[in-house]
Amino acid sequence: GAVVSQHPSWVICKSGTSVKIECRSLDFQATTMFWYRQFPKQSLMLMATSNEGSKATYEQGVEKDKFLINHASLTLSTLTVTSAHPEDSSFYICSARVRVAQTTEAFFGQGTRLTVV
Amino acid sequence: LAKTTQPISMDSYEGQEVNITCSHNNIATNDYITWYQQFPSQGPRFIIQGYKTKVTNEVASLFIPADRKSSTLSLPRVSLSDTAVYYCLVGAPMNRDDKIIFGKGTRLHILP
Repeated sequence: GAVVSQHPSWVICKSGTSVKIECRSLDFQATTMFWYRQFPKQSLMLMATSNEGSKATYEQGVEKDKFLINHASLTLSTLTVTSAHPEDSSFYICSARVRVAQTTEAFFGQGTRLTVV
Repeated sequence: LAKTTQPISMDSYEGQEVNITCSHNNIATNDYITWYQQFPSQGPRFIIQGYKTKVTNEVASLFIPADRKSSTLSLPRVSLSDTAVYYCLVGAPMNRDDKIIFGKGTRLHILP
């Protein structure tokens, strides 16, 4: 199946610094990618939809100035957590869909564990 | 997007067949039912997708009754490695920019 790759797998940063997470579609082009956040023992929460060549669409309650999304090419979307604080510590996951027959199938990255100290 | 309801958690033993049922009373005509599996500290993985009746692949079977208001994911002869969270999603994923909204999922714990 299609492969979505995230980098890094984990990162530890100091409070107040910014962290960039990359999401790549390795063998297909993705005009749209999705970013999720997941806290321990909870489900995935959709943060935003990343659109190639245009602004991202953020879900209600997600600060767009805090979580900067850039989708500059058909295979790369980046999420930058700006001025990170301990409450931003979470598991961040990206996703993209691939058309399969009359429907689509979603593929997910392996996730990035962010710890802000 | 149709709302789904599934058990919060389930326990089973190795070698057993596990059935996880998902309710989706307001499923729309164009909606498909998709199940994902998520291991700790990993992204979700597609398991199976269906529209009606029965679908089977190398991993699982999906049973969908005629009214499509529920569905059952069946995992044959589970092993310890099947311990994971299983998500049932209902929607019409025809377009690559359609969002996927996750419910709470079912935490399956396989015991030796």
